[in-house]
Amino acid sequence: GDSVTQMEGPVTLSEEACLTINCTYTATGYPSLFWYVQYPGEGLQLLLKATKADDKGSNKGFEATYRKETTSFHLEKGSVQVSDSAVYFCALSLPSNTGKLIFGQGTTLQVKP
Amino acid sequence: DAGVIQSPRHEVTEMGQEVTLRCKPISGHNSLFWYRQTMMRGLELLIYFNNNVPIDDSGMPEDRFSAKMPNASFSTLKIQPSEPRDSAVYFCASSRRQVNTEAFFGQGTRLTVV
Repeated sequence: GDSVTQMEGPVTLSEEACLTINCTYTATGYPSLFWYVQYPGEGLQLLLKATKADDKGSNKGFEATYRKETTSFHLEKGSVQVSDSAVYFCALSLPSNTGKLIFGQGTTLQVKP
Repeated sequence: DAGVIQSPRHEVTEMGQEVTLRCKPISGHNSLFWYRQTMMRGLELLIYFNNNVPIDDSGMPEDRFSAKMPNASFSTLKIQPSEPRDSAVYFCASSRRQVNTEAFFGQGTRLTVV
């Protein structure tokens, strides 16, 4: 079935370090791909998205490229800040299930000063 | 727009009691989702509605759980009777029913059953 797999956390980095959180997916058809972020005590917020192969989503210094050949959508940031500490979720949505999201298990990022 | 509004933010109840969680989706959105988040199981989709009609409730854990959407601006998730293992954060989300759209989440209701 359709699924999303993320690298296990927690990921602990020092401020200004580079970040990569891996995400791969299995889907029938051509999904849209999303990264959501959840700050402590809050709901999920959309961070970025990509809707077709080779699209790059970007926001707040984060980027992810839709790689159809490797079925991946890895999240990257060149220089993390303490304020980026949160849980990050990769998700997909299929055209046949408009709006319904299938989430990965989430990756906790902790950035230390 | 106020976003997706959930109430209450926190609920503590005794085992066996009925619990009702409420959600007001974003105006104009016609899809609504209920998710449950726990440390053990992560984010689980419980049920979703399109145009107020339940489309997929396969994620509802058992008959103690029920959800309704009487109109486009209101939905409830009810647990009766509640059990300690129902303790979790419950999120409501809404979206426009169209291709490539994203869902917008509420702040969640943290439920504790003692």
